[in-house]
Amino acid sequence: EAGVAQSPRYKIIEKRQSVAFWCNPISGHATLYWYQQILGQGPKLLIQFQNNGVVDDSQLPKDRFSAERLKGVDSTLKIQPAKLEDSAVYLCASSFTSTEQFFGPGTRLTVL
Amino acid sequence: SQKIEQNSEALNIQEGKTATLTCNYTNYSPAYLQWYRQDPGRGPVFLLLIRENEKEKRKERLKVTFDTTLKQSLFHITASQPADSATYLCATYSGAGSYQLTFGKGTKLSVIP
Repeated sequence: EAGVAQSPRYKIIEKRQSVAFWCNPISGHATLYWYQQILGQGPKLLIQFQNNGVVDDSQLPKDRFSAERLKGVDSTLKIQPAKLEDSAVYLCASSFTSTEQFFGPGTRLTVL
Repeated sequence: SQKIEQNSEALNIQEGKTATLTCNYTNYSPAYLQWYRQDPGRGPVFLLLIRENEKEKRKERLKVTFDTTLKQSLFHITASQPADSATYLCATYSGAGSYQLTFGKGTKLSVIP
């Protein structure tokens, strides 16, 4: 079975620019997650979708971050405007049940 | 607030020995705890899940224990191999509301040939 796909794999931008990440979850997985992983830290949940509805976005910095999951499949995460502290790996994960999560390879963002 | 700690940032062991990694949590009682493996440049990969009413879980050379009194989980890799070198993350699910996992910082394991 195909895994979680993410693009791009790497992105370098200057501060105050905007950036978008794309995720395609495993087919049939209703739940989709976006995580931020700063170097040396564990992943931190930003937002969780169940189909196309938001379940939890309590840790999403809503003044600059936004995410959507139209049609309950693919999802995009956007940052506008980016700050230096947004440099991190952005991981997308999906799950069929509430337990095991399947992660994509991540997008490494560098903000200069 | 919920807190999860993996006490060792790095652990070096000799090939063939048993690696033991520790995960401690405070201020809550998770319904279950998971362990993931993460290789450089890749996303975490699920290894094992243990529920609060289970004391121990095994999968091939892996063993996880869950002590709700000590608020601690131990993750063991027996007969360790250089291919086991990676960062291991523990994650807990509180059981309330959304299925949010809280991850520890991870322990980087290096198995020396």
